[in-house]
Amino acid sequence: GDSVTQMEGPVTLSEEAFLTINCTYTATGYPSLFWYVQYPGEGLQLLLKATKADDKGSNKGFEATYRKETTSFHLEKGSVQVSDSAVYFCALLSGGNKLVFGAGTILRVKS
Amino acid sequence: GAGVSQTPSNKVTEKGKYVELRCDPISGHTALYWYRQSLGQGPEFLIYFQGTGAADDSGLPNDRFFAVRPEGSVSTLKIQRTERGDSAVYLCASSIWGGNTGELFFGEGSRLTVL
Repeated sequence: GDSVTQMEGPVTLSEEAFLTINCTYTATGYPSLFWYVQYPGEGLQLLLKATKADDKGSNKGFEATYRKETTSFHLEKGSVQVSDSAVYFCALLSGGNKLVFGAGTILRVKS
Repeated sequence: GAGVSQTPSNKVTEKGKYVELRCDPISGHTALYWYRQSLGQGPEFLIYFQGTGAADDSGLPNDRFFAVRPEGSVSTLKIQRTERGDSAVYLCASSIWGGNTGELFFGEGSRLTVL
């Protein structure tokens, strides 16, 4: 079945550091890919998405590029802030109507 | 309210008891999902409603789990004869576009603890 693997955390960075969270997937065909984020005390929310190969999703300074050659969708941000501390989930759309999530990566940003 | 509302936020019950978890989606959202998130894991799909009908219930783990959405708005997830392994956060999500965009709005979840 379809699955998503993302790097284990926690990832701890200083403010203004560069962030990469790796995500790879296994799926039939070319599913839409997503990053969701869960801030402390809040529900999951969509951060960005890409629907086809070579698409780049971006939002709030975060970006991720859909790479079909490496079946990857790594999340990057050039300069993280303390307010970016959260749990980040990579996901794919499976069977046309349900999201399959990775295990999540905790990000901690220190001031 | 503006977002997806789930009640109760916390539920502690004893093994063998019956539990109901409620989800109030964003007004006008026709698609509604239930997911389950165990500690240290990502959310796992349980069931998807389009309107009043369950369009996909392939994620329900067994027949102890059942969900309804009788009027196409509020949904209730029902768990019979609870087991300790049912302990998790149950997430509800809704979408205005239906199931094929992946763009969901999640509630904060109902944390179920089975003693």
